[in-house]
Amino acid sequence: AQKVTQAQTEISVVEKEDVTLDCVYETRDTTYYLFWYKQPPSGELVFLIRRNSFDEQNEISGRYSWNFQKSTSSFNFTITASQVVDSAVYFCALPNYGGSQGNLIFGKGTKLSVKP
Amino acid sequence: EAGVTQSPTHLIKTRGQQATLRCSPISGHTSVYWYQQALGLGLQFLLWYDEGEERNRGNFPPRFSGRQFPNYSSELNVNALELEDSALYLCASSLDWDRGNYGYTFGSGTRLTVV
Repeated sequence: AQKVTQAQTEISVVEKEDVTLDCVYETRDTTYYLFWYKQPPSGELVFLIRRNSFDEQNEISGRYSWNFQKSTSSFNFTITASQVVDSAVYFCALPNYGGSQGNLIFGKGTKLSVKP
Repeated sequence: EAGVTQSPTHLIKTRGQQATLRCSPISGHTSVYWYQQALGLGLQFLLWYDEGEERNRGNFPPRFSGRQFPNYSSELNVNALELEDSALYLCASSLDWDRGNYGYTFGSGTRLTVV
């Protein structure tokens, strides 16, 4: 079955702390993409990153970094030196059966609160 | 480049009425997706349209329907509204859905409240 699990429902940190958001997935596909989205209070889902399953290199973009480990089916997201503007709900997602079904399967999301 | 636009931003309806939500995709995107985000239920896939055809639908009753127009904009209709239909409805569009390389872009959503 296709499934995405974000075990952390809510995380609260103080500004400048580092924080890691966990994502574990299940898929029968041999190649697949994984996504992270950010949903600020305004409601719009903002695309953060797309990774292909045959590229396990970690990726860094400014204060954001992603650790993809196929062996443990995990795609974790780290924010370094968090800021108040990072407060949002973060979703990890996986295409349903490689894209044949058209939709993304989302985790339940992790609500991150960054306090000044 | 204009993003995915949804209208209206907010909609208040009475139980039993019909609601119509609209979505304009990014120019050049042919696929449109609808998701429901109800409190406590996460993001639930509703419908996928591509090239004017319904390609797939999620586990929702038939009173949730829609269509895609020749200009690729889309409409979601919810008939016989129930209180539990109150949710944020998000539309997304993509250029290439093949092999799961979606590159989804989402709109800001329509907040539907059923009273």
